[in-house]
Amino acid sequence: NAGVTQTPKFQVLKTGQSMTLQCAQDMNHNSMYWYRQDPGMGLRLIYYSASEGTTDKGEVPNGYNVSRLNKREFSLRLESAAPSQTSVYFCASSEHPWATNEKLFFGSGTQLSVL
Amino acid sequence: AQTVTQSQPEMSVQEAETVTLSCTYDTSESDYYLFWYKQPPSRQMILVIRQEAYKQQNATENRFSVNFQKAAKSFSLKISDSQLGDAAMYFCAYLETSGSRLTFGEGTQLTVNP
Repeated sequence: NAGVTQTPKFQVLKTGQSMTLQCAQDMNHNSMYWYRQDPGMGLRLIYYSASEGTTDKGEVPNGYNVSRLNKREFSLRLESAAPSQTSVYFCASSEHPWATNEKLFFGSGTQLSVL
Repeated sequence: AQTVTQSQPEMSVQEAETVTLSCTYDTSESDYYLFWYKQPPSRQMILVIRQEAYKQQNATENRFSVNFQKAAKSFSLKISDSQLGDAAMYFCAYLETSGSRLTFGEGTQLTVNP
């Protein structure tokens, strides 16, 4: 089925460890996003990529890095995990910011716990 | 920066009745999109309805409709004939057309009582 695939679905890290969250979409979308979801705070944008080869900071980029490897893939890296990064992470993609039927497609999320 | 505010952390409604969820936003843009997303306990984000700012007509999708007041920067969601399956967290979101940033509100947890 077409869509956005995120891996892993669950992860537990110790403080200071690093990891990369993977995201891939097979809809030939231009834009891709990484969000984190925390109780009472909605979804906050970490980084986004408007098109292949570009990335921009969102609301909460500190402690994260991203790579738009190609049009399909957009990874999120935590270089030195901290307990404050315990959250649910969502990847999303969209065809184009101003497409006539614009909407975002979301992955199923990654539950990350940092101890 | 654009902000989206949902002032109702929790709402409840009786099955078969109507409920309205509120959303306000702040922007200096004239063209943009607005969305309502539903997140059930499965955690999957499901698009409920979308509205283009340049369209004056309010969007409708079956039992879901919006009241889009551009001048007031208000975008409320009305759910008619509420069903048990409507119980979820609902997020309002704003997408600028001049870039690619999609900004979400804090969410409203909707409970549907039988």
